[in-house]
Amino acid sequence: QVQLVQSGAEVKKPGSSVKVSCKASGGTFPKSGFTWVRQAPGQGLEWMGRIIPDYGTTNYAQKFQDRVSITTDESTSTAYMELSSLRSEDTAIYYCARRQVLLWSEGFDIWGQGTMVTVSS
Amino acid sequence: DIQMTQSPSSLSASVGDRVTITCRASQYISTYLNWYQQKPGEAPNLLIYAASSLQSGVPSRFSGSGSGTEFTLTISSLQPEDFATYYCQQSYTIPITFGQGTRLEIK
Repeated sequence: QVQLVQSGAEVKKPGSSVKVSCKASGGTFPKSGFTWVRQAPGQGLEWMGRIIPDYGTTNYAQKFQDRVSITTDESTSTAYMELSSLRSEDTAIYYCARRQVLLWSEGFDIWGQGTMVTVSS
Repeated sequence: DIQMTQSPSSLSASVGDRVTITCRASQYISTYLNWYQQKPGEAPNLLIYAASSLQSGVPSRFSGSGSGTEFTLTISSLQPEDFATYYCQQSYTIPITFGQGTRLEIK
């Protein structure tokens, strides 16, 4: 069974960038793809974007379009999410999850443990 | 973007109760609808996909229904471990969007 293990907590200055990793272990590399979801303190879930290695495609939420990049490295079974121009509102837990098409609905069946990113001067 | 609205936002119930949470989409999404449970300090966990299919390993007291714009998640008999926050999520169009969550608390 695939497990997703994310990199550790980060503290960043406003205006800087952060790159969070998500390593898949215990199974084959999920070519169906990865998604990234964030959760600000005490708030709900917010979809940031996805990558589908099978198709070689990425999609991003408009809100993050200019600041986010999602990539994968199949040789290390790792997905990455880089967010630039950080501001205090980006303080959140960032989750990676395996993307699966279940019957016809795209869902996220395996999740990483989350990475806390704190943006503070 | 498709807006997903859950009701209620919070709910108090007792062990053994039957509970229903509603999720409404701002436009037609067929049955491209999933439900998640999230406990404090944990990642979300997929419960229901394609509106009514139970994810492997999820107890049968959880069920989902609906199509089009209105969906429900029902827990037939609440157990202590079910007190958590529940989210719906649509995958009909990009961007994928989540409901704001329903917090289920012990009465």
